[in-house]
Amino acid sequence: SQQGEEDPQALSIQEGENATMNCSYKTSINNLQWYRQNSGRGLVHLILIRSNEREKHSGRLRVTLDTSKKSSSLLITASRAADTASYFCATGSNYKLTFGKGTLLTVNP
Amino acid sequence: EAGVVQSPRYKIIEKKQPVAFWCNPISGHNTLYWYLQNLGQGPELLIRYENEEAVDDSQLPKDRFSAERLKGVDSTLKIQPAELGDSAVYLCASSLGGGLRGETQYFGPGTRLLVL
Repeated sequence: SQQGEEDPQALSIQEGENATMNCSYKTSINNLQWYRQNSGRGLVHLILIRSNEREKHSGRLRVTLDTSKKSSSLLITASRAADTASYFCATGSNYKLTFGKGTLLTVNP
Repeated sequence: EAGVVQSPRYKIIEKKQPVAFWCNPISGHNTLYWYLQNLGQGPELLIRYENEEAVDDSQLPKDRFSAERLKGVDSTLKIQPAELGDSAVYLCASSLGGGLRGETQYFGPGTRLLVL
């Protein structure tokens, strides 16, 4: 079963633009993580935000978490063609990660 | 530092045949995970090991799937017999385990299985 649900399912933007992806979940969590998956490859961890945090930054990434709404967003600023990938949110509870279906981001050069 | 290693990367078999996947986690990572990823979906946990103990195998279809991590390091996931619906990517991941440091999982490249 999948808890997280990303929105939109697919997103196409031009290089240099910002990309925002959203994630909603259903049950209580310890943390929420975002992963990236390039075509045909494994997942790469991007960022982790704990349930008592509201916002976190890492390079061009900004993640927010609203536990009252059970939602999170991932913002990628100044996107590059190399950011083209699927992005998954995963809710963490007791060392178990539950992934959503992902958002397919295409950054056009 | 070497990442999670999986082999083979691709496997094509006929239905009813057995198949096995191997995973070597990052050195020092006590926790090992096997995930199944269907096309267009996120990964779904099959089994989690803490050292050599399977602490969560509730999602593993035990009639045809088995896994082992005998010495608490590398692990093997087996399917016998394989069915058409088993075609998917099988991902292995590892983490430090225990405490806050163990929350981030590191994934291998996966084994893409095609059952004909």
